[in-house]
Amino acid sequence: ETGVTQTPRHLVMGMTNKKSLKCEQHLGHNAMYWYKQSAKKPLELMFVYSLEERVENNSVPSRFSPECPNSSHLFLHLHTLQPEDSALYLCASSFRRSTDTQYFGPGTRLTVL
Amino acid sequence: SQELEQSPQSLIVQEGKNLTINCTSSKTLYGLYWYKQKYGEGLIFLMMLQKGGEEKSHEKITAKLDEKKQQSSLHITASQPSHAGIYLCGAVLYNFNKFYFGSGTKLNVKP
Repeated sequence: ETGVTQTPRHLVMGMTNKKSLKCEQHLGHNAMYWYKQSAKKPLELMFVYSLEERVENNSVPSRFSPECPNSSHLFLHLHTLQPEDSALYLCASSFRRSTDTQYFGPGTRLTVL
Repeated sequence: SQELEQSPQSLIVQEGKNLTINCTSSKTLYGLYWYKQKYGEGLIFLMMLQKGGEEKSHEKITAKLDEKKQQSSLHITASQPSHAGIYLCGAVLYNFNKFYFGSGTKLNVKP
């Protein structure tokens, strides 16, 4: 049991839809992360939040919009996505940013039609 | 360019055989992490190494960090089908306040 949960586990959406991915951590951590994992590509870091403040945004298109209302919850709001955005989206958390062990959720498998 | 290079990219071994996966950086590592991922699922933390020359074991998996802290190896003894998955190394580089992952090694263990 990782202590990090993600919902939904699977999501299929059209390019005009708006949906949100949710992540929740029960570990008392202060940093949370969104990663994208596509086939045949290394894990890509998208966003980092530390103490609810966005501290890293790795050139992610604006159609992905993160939100961190408190240190236990992280959202990824999706709108007007493209088929190439289909991937496994992973959430992780750590006690401190970058230098501490990151614990991952099970991921959301996203398919954009 | 990849900050962390993993080799091999994929590996197929017969059950019971030993195997080694490597993770190499051109820069000194602050800490090196090993994770395992089953297809389509999240990453499971295996172990973390921080000191040069450090070695840790968990069941039949042993990880080592070299003295220069630029290379780590993951060794599985007497592999089993349950060891199958993708093994990823991750690291924070000295003077870089950023976490990097390798591209992963896909392991299949044939019964």
